[in-house]
Amino acid sequence: AQKVTQAQTEISVVEKEDVTLDCVYETRDTTYYLFWYKQPPSGELVFLIRRNSFDEQNEISGRYSWNFQKSTSSFNFTITASQVVDSAVYFCALSEYGFNKFYFGSGTKLNVKP
Amino acid sequence: DTGVSQDPRHKITKRGQNVTFRCDPISEHNRLYWYRQTLGQGPEFLTYFQNEAQLEKSRLLSDRFSAERPKGSFSTLEIQRTEQGDSAMYLCASSLASGGSDNEQFFGPGTRLTVL
Repeated sequence: AQKVTQAQTEISVVEKEDVTLDCVYETRDTTYYLFWYKQPPSGELVFLIRRNSFDEQNEISGRYSWNFQKSTSSFNFTITASQVVDSAVYFCALSEYGFNKFYFGSGTKLNVKP
Repeated sequence: DTGVSQDPRHKITKRGQNVTFRCDPISEHNRLYWYRQTLGQGPEFLTYFQNEAQLEKSRLLSDRFSAERPKGSFSTLEIQRTEQGDSAMYLCASSLASGGSDNEQFFGPGTRLTVL
């Protein structure tokens, strides 16, 4: 069965600190996709990144970076030099091949204080 | 704005009443998904459509829930005889089912249901 675990319920940092959000997943599929979404206080889920199971290259996009390690079934997300605007709930999600449905973690609430 | 839209954004109803929500996906997207999100949790899959066909339903979707996508465009989610446990945010998402790179799911703003 597919499952996504985000063990960190809430994290608080001071602006400009780096922060890493952890995501551990379980699946029996050999082909799958991993995602991160941001949910700001307004409530709308905003897509951040997609990774397929065959691509373990780390990715960097501005202040955001992602570390995908199949050996540990982890897909962690790092924000460098955090900003107040990064305050939101971040969800990691797993989807089956074909994108039939997503399995979401319970989310990590990030509070960035000025 | 050509994103996913949902209507209404908020709905307050009394227990036992029926409610209906609408979702308008991104126009070229052929897949449409419904999720439910309760406080402090991630979204949970309810059902999805490819065009007008409902291809999968979660066990979470009891007999009181029904979803339609009659012309393969907008979709409605109806809850009959609402219960307090139905109070949640109902999210709609759409995607393009293809092998291309744009097949992530795009989410709407959600409909927050409160059952009194």
